Amino acid sequence: DAGVTQSPTHLIKTRGQQVTLRCSPKSGHDTVSWYQQALGQGPQFIFQYYEEEERQRGNFPDRFSGHQFPNYSSELNVNALLLGDSALYLCASSSGQGAGKLFFGSGTQLSVL
Amino acid sequence: GEDVEQSLFLSVREGDSSVINCTYTDSSSTYLYWYKQEPGAGLQLLTYIFSNMDMKQDQRLTVLLNKKDKHLSLRIADTQTGDSAIYFCAEMFYNQGGKLIFGQGTELSVKP
Repeated sequence: DAGVTQSPTHLIKTRGQQVTLRCSPKSGHDTVSWYQQALGQGPQFIFQYYEEEERQRGNFPDRFSGHQFPNYSSELNVNALLLGDSALYLCASSSGQGAGKLFFGSGTQLSVL
Repeated sequence: GEDVEQSLFLSVREGDSSVINCTYTDSSSTYLYWYKQEPGAGLQLLTYIFSNMDMKQDQRLTVLLNKKDKHLSLRIADTQTGDSAIYFCAEMFYNQGGKLIFGQGTELSVKP
């Protein structure tokens, strides 16, 4: 069982660029959530995808968007990057919304210069 | 409101017990979680407790939940140097589609 996998592991972008991060959920899981973790902070909820639709959204601007594919994998897109978008982006998967066990991937470290 | 608070640092000697505390504010949470994060890594699920339980034990880990005081604790018995990491408490809101609210994390330092 591969667990939750994310790619790439590290990424360097410049202000104003766009970025796409990818996530494959744990086998048997159908729900994917994305979190942003700034240095020294706890993760902050960005949004959740279930049945290929955005079901819940945290307090993030529209520059943050996502997609879920029929195989349950997901992408996080961030447009018009700001320096403050530099963070570790974590993907979490679960079976069904609001289920007990939520597993996280190792994350993508995004640096915006 | 949605807020989870943890003390920032805890230092213990190897072999002692560690107790990491967490307070939360929203009584509608359904599950409460403990995650471990090592430097440069993602979050490892340690254990979780359903909100209608008072206690859960899993090998060296004991979780205590006091719903009246909205207080959650994680006890690690016989703490080892490999337990040094940041520990996050989180609460889940089922009526908000399973969104997790995390605390800032407690950095546990285990000295030999």
